[in-house]
Amino acid sequence: GAVVSQHPSRVICKSGTSVKIECRSLDFQATTMFWYRQFPKQSLMLMATSNEGSKATYEQGVEKDKFLINHASLTLSTLTVTSAHPEDSSFYICSAPNTGSDHGYTFGSGTRLTVV
Amino acid sequence: KQEVTQIPAALSVPEGENLVLNCSFTDSAIYNLQWFRQDPGKGLTSLLLIQSSQREQTSGRLNASLDKSSGRSTLYIAASQPGDSATYLCAVTQGGSEKLVFGKGTKLTVNP
Repeated sequence: GAVVSQHPSRVICKSGTSVKIECRSLDFQATTMFWYRQFPKQSLMLMATSNEGSKATYEQGVEKDKFLINHASLTLSTLTVTSAHPEDSSFYICSAPNTGSDHGYTFGSGTRLTVV
Repeated sequence: KQEVTQIPAALSVPEGENLVLNCSFTDSAIYNLQWFRQDPGKGLTSLLLIQSSQREQTSGRLNASLDKSSGRSTLYIAASQPGDSATYLCAVTQGGSEKLVFGKGTKLTVNP
């Protein structure tokens, strides 16, 4: 089945630095990638939608200059958290629509970001 | 704005018990509904997807039902096992959008 590989799984960074998270679709082409953030005991909240070859679409309240999204190829989308602060500590997870007719989604394994 | 609610927030049952997890959504104009499983610190695994025109889907010991008009879905787990312990998430998509709107999940613990 479809697989989305997400790296790193865990990252600890110092406040003020930037962190890049990668999501790769391994056996299918993902023209769209969704990026979610999940705080403890909360729902997954959609942050932005990346589309290959075009600018990402950000949800209301998400700073596009802080969360840089790049979708340069049909198999790779990246999220860069710039100038990270402790309040950015969260679980970030990507998802791509499945190809085929089931209209489902495949999720990455998530990245636990801790900013100290 | 679509809102998805899952009840209960947490559930603990003895092994072998049958159980039902509930999901409700405020806007019945959905395209489909999915149930996911999330293990601690991990990504999501899709369990069942129900299209808006369907009433239920089954996979092994899992059965998901959908009543679109009342804005409800249930996930039935038969003969629960300790390996079923996880957080179960319900999510819907609206017509014309690929965006998933998630509930907060139900944390299930199956005790041996």
